[in-house]
Amino acid sequence: DTAVSQTPKYLVTQMGNDKSIKCEQNLGHDTMYWYKQDSKKFLKIMFSYNNKELIINETVPNRFSPKSPDKAHLNLHINSLELGDSAVYFCASRRTGGVGETQYFGPGTRLLVL
Amino acid sequence: DAKTTQPNSMESNEEEPVHLPCNHSTISGTDYIHWYRQLPSQGPEYVIHGLTSNVNNRMASLAIAEDRKSSTLILHRATLRDAAVYYCILRSQIPETSGSRLTFGEGTQLTVNP
Repeated sequence: DTAVSQTPKYLVTQMGNDKSIKCEQNLGHDTMYWYKQDSKKFLKIMFSYNNKELIINETVPNRFSPKSPDKAHLNLHINSLELGDSAVYFCASRRTGGVGETQYFGPGTRLLVL
Repeated sequence: DAKTTQPNSMESNEEEPVHLPCNHSTISGTDYIHWYRQLPSQGPEYVIHGLTSNVNNRMASLAIAEDRKSSTLILHRATLRDAAVYYCILRSQIPETSGSRLTFGEGTQLTVNP
């Protein structure tokens, strides 16, 4: 029944590694997002896809590469992980034209880079 | 994006009403006022939104000033489960200018005392 799910929930890895975070939504939404919440709790948008097309690409290092294989999935691949990448990453989705353009968030993936 | 200003923290007692203020003096005519909240260790969740008129839903009420330069989220009877960070966000009606992105500020940490 989970509307927006993310895997894994926790990810602990070494600097320099490459890792992926996956997001799936079963709401039938056409737009998905990745947000990053750092240790100071600021939530910042990173990327957004609409119907598998990239529509928002904030100033994010190109080590971060989103991929949307279909409208229900948006994955985030991170190359050469750095200490500063440690954060909670949230996926979100919405339906274009939906009431209030409300975004539905996943539970987050807690990434710790050692 | 137009900016919002909220108090860093507020306290309330259980079963009492809570009024969470938000100033948005640079709001434009095409901006909706959205409120999201983030419970501990969870992703943000939608609370309510409005444009000009006051709004009610099962979670809360939103009172919008006549000049739209401020708004107040009202929780009619706070419960312990309402302890969260509450974010007041302005969202442009024009998706082309914003991608319907949400720009989160620091929010208000609400503490509910038993």
